Amino acid sequence: AQKVTQAQTEISVVEKEDVTLDCVYETRDTTYYLFWYKQPPSGELVFLIRRNSFDEQNEISGRYSWNFQKSTSSFNFTITASQVVDSAVYFCALSEAITGTSYGKLTFGQGTILTVHP
Amino acid sequence: EAGVVQSPRYKIIEKKQPVAFWCNPISGHNTLYWYLQNLGQGPELLIRYENEEAVDDSQLPKDRFSAERLKGVDSTLKIQPAELGDSAVYLCASSLGGSTSGFYNEQFFGPGTRLTVL
Repeated sequence: AQKVTQAQTEISVVEKEDVTLDCVYETRDTTYYLFWYKQPPSGELVFLIRRNSFDEQNEISGRYSWNFQKSTSSFNFTITASQVVDSAVYFCALSEAITGTSYGKLTFGQGTILTVHP
Repeated sequence: EAGVVQSPRYKIIEKKQPVAFWCNPISGHNTLYWYLQNLGQGPELLIRYENEEAVDDSQLPKDRFSAERLKGVDSTLKIQPAELGDSAVYLCASSLGGSTSGFYNEQFFGPGTRLTVL
């Protein structure tokens, strides 16, 4: 069965600091997708990124970057020069199936609460 | 384009009372998901619809929970009777395609309904 572990329950930083959120996953499938979502206080889950298991290239989008390493089953998320608006709960998630009954089923980690102080 | 709409946003009821949540997905999205999010946890899938068919309800507690999507558009999730442990956020998500598409379709989440059972 699939599992996602986010070791950090809460992280507190001061604005402009860099911060990395860790994510480790478990799956028996060779084909799977990994995700990061942001959940601000409003409650809506906001999609940040999706990677498939065949694409290990790191990705950068503005102040956000992601490091996917299959060898360690990790998909870490770094925010550079953090801002107060980055304060939210961040979830890492895994989806194994693109067909069948389990299609689209997302398995989420427990989330990391990020607080960025001014 | 309007996002996923959920109502009500907040609901407070006494235990043993019935409650219903409503979700209207993004226009044209044929796949609809209901998730349960307990405090401090990541969301967990309850049920997935493709059009009007519930294709994965394996994690829906059928003794007290029910759901419907009669015309393959909006959906209602019901709890009867509610228990104290049902206090949580109920999230709805939708995606454009389903399991027959052969590839992953992004899920877009609504703001959720926060249920408090007293």
